[in-house]
Amino acid sequence: GENVEQHPSTLSVQEGDSAVIKCTYSDSASNYFPWYKQELGKRPQLIIDIRSNVGEKKDQRIAVTLNKTAKHFSLHITETQPEDSAVYFCAASSWGKFQFGAGTQVVVTP
Amino acid sequence: NAGVTQTPKFRVLKTGQSMTLLCAQDMNHEYMYWYRQDPGMGLRLIHYSVGEGTTAKGEVPDGYNVSRLKKQNFLLGLESAAPSQTSVYFCASSEATASGLSETQYFGPGTRLLVL
Repeated sequence: GENVEQHPSTLSVQEGDSAVIKCTYSDSASNYFPWYKQELGKRPQLIIDIRSNVGEKKDQRIAVTLNKTAKHFSLHITETQPEDSAVYFCAASSWGKFQFGAGTQVVVTP
Repeated sequence: NAGVTQTPKFRVLKTGQSMTLLCAQDMNHEYMYWYRQDPGMGLRLIHYSVGEGTTAKGEVPDGYNVSRLKKQNFLLGLESAAPSQTSVYFCASSEATASGLSETQYFGPGTRLLVL
C-alpha cells in the first residue's frame, strides 16, 4: 500500500548549521506535500508545503524540494536556531487523504 | 475564529468503557479527519469524512466509529476501550479537493487518552 518513509529519525545540529530531512513516497498520484512542525505537547503546525507542479519552494530559512521522478522530497532549514528544535513530519497526499512520515526529532544545540 | 477545537483535552478510561471525542471546526471545511499519534509512528488515519453525512475508513479503523451529522462536527467513538487505544488523538479539517488535488489540513489541539 501507500507509505511515506522519513529519514533520519533524529537529527542533532549545532546552532547556525543547516538541517536536512528526507522523505520518499510510493503513491504516484500524490500531488501535495506538506511539512509540519510539532513541539512537545502541541498540535502539528504547517510550516511549508509544495505541490507536484513545483520543484522547489522557499520561505525565509526554510525550503522544500521535490523530485517527482524519484518520488522524494526534502526539507532544508538553514541557520538553525534553538527554537527550531521540535519533531518534523512530512506527508504526501492526493484526493484529500494524507500519509505521514514517522517524524524526525531535531535538536539544535547552542 | 477558533479554528479546530477538541473536547475533552484529557481522559482516563477503564478497559471496556465507552466514550466519544468531539471535534468542531468553524472554517466551513468539507473534509474532516481523525488521527491517532503514537511514539515513533507519526500520525495514522483512523476515519475521515468528505462531507456532512459521509464517513470512510482510514488505515487503523478497528475499534472506532465516527459520525458527521453536522458539517462542523466530527465525532469519534470508542464502544469498548482497550489499553491499545491509549494514544493522543488529533482531529483535522481541510477544504474540499478538486480534481484530486489536496488542500492544507488544520489540526486541533489533541485529546490525550489513557486506557487502564
